[in-house]
Amino acid sequence: TQTVSQSDAHVTVFEGDSVELRCNYSYGGSIYLSWYIQHHGRGLQFLLKYYSGNPVVQGVNGFKAEFSKSDSSFHLRKASVHWSDSAVYFCAVSGTQVVGQLTFGRGTRLQVYA
Amino acid sequence: DAGVTQTPRHEVAEKGQTIILKCEPVSGHNDLFWYRQTKIQGLELLSYFRSKSLMEDGGAFKDRFKAEMLNSSFSTLKIQPTEPKDSAVYLCASSLGTGGQDTQYFGPGTRLLVL
Repeated sequence: TQTVSQSDAHVTVFEGDSVELRCNYSYGGSIYLSWYIQHHGRGLQFLLKYYSGNPVVQGVNGFKAEFSKSDSSFHLRKASVHWSDSAVYFCAVSGTQVVGQLTFGRGTRLQVYA
Repeated sequence: DAGVTQTPRHEVAEKGQTIILKCEPVSGHNDLFWYRQTKIQGLELLSYFRSKSLMEDGGAFKDRFKAEMLNSSFSTLKIQPTEPKDSAVYLCASSLGTGGQDTQYFGPGTRLLVL
């Protein structure tokens, strides 16, 4: 069974601040990790993903995430946030045993104040 | 290319009614997913199709929920009969279907309110 944990339900920062959104996973085999963003009233949009290779993955709009096998983590970071980054961010995992399906975390709501 | 489209965007139903939600995946995608999203439960997988074959029927949702994929470009989710606890946003997503690292593309969702 694969699980995803996002420990922070809400994160509040000011424009220009850096931010880290945390994601921890539990899975025994090879794993694919991704982040999605959901703006209010809309569907989820893909940000970035990791399977192998360089543990630091660059995504759109200045987002990046770092995979750590030792910590079972895949935290999302941005050096300088904009008010338009306010949204809910979902971490997702899929394993090679259940190909195609994603298991999503509960999401972290990021609020950026101007 | 058009993204995933879902209709209607909003639906209000009386308890006991039958409602049908519609989804058109991205052209050429082989995988299609239906999710339910609520504040309490988060994102829950309802159904998963690969090349029109049902791969996952969502276990707990089998009773009143039925998803069908009539052709590669159209899917429906029927809820019969509806109950107030079904009030949620229903999201449809599609992906290429080439492997575990496929990106899923989501529609805008259908917001369902059951009175």
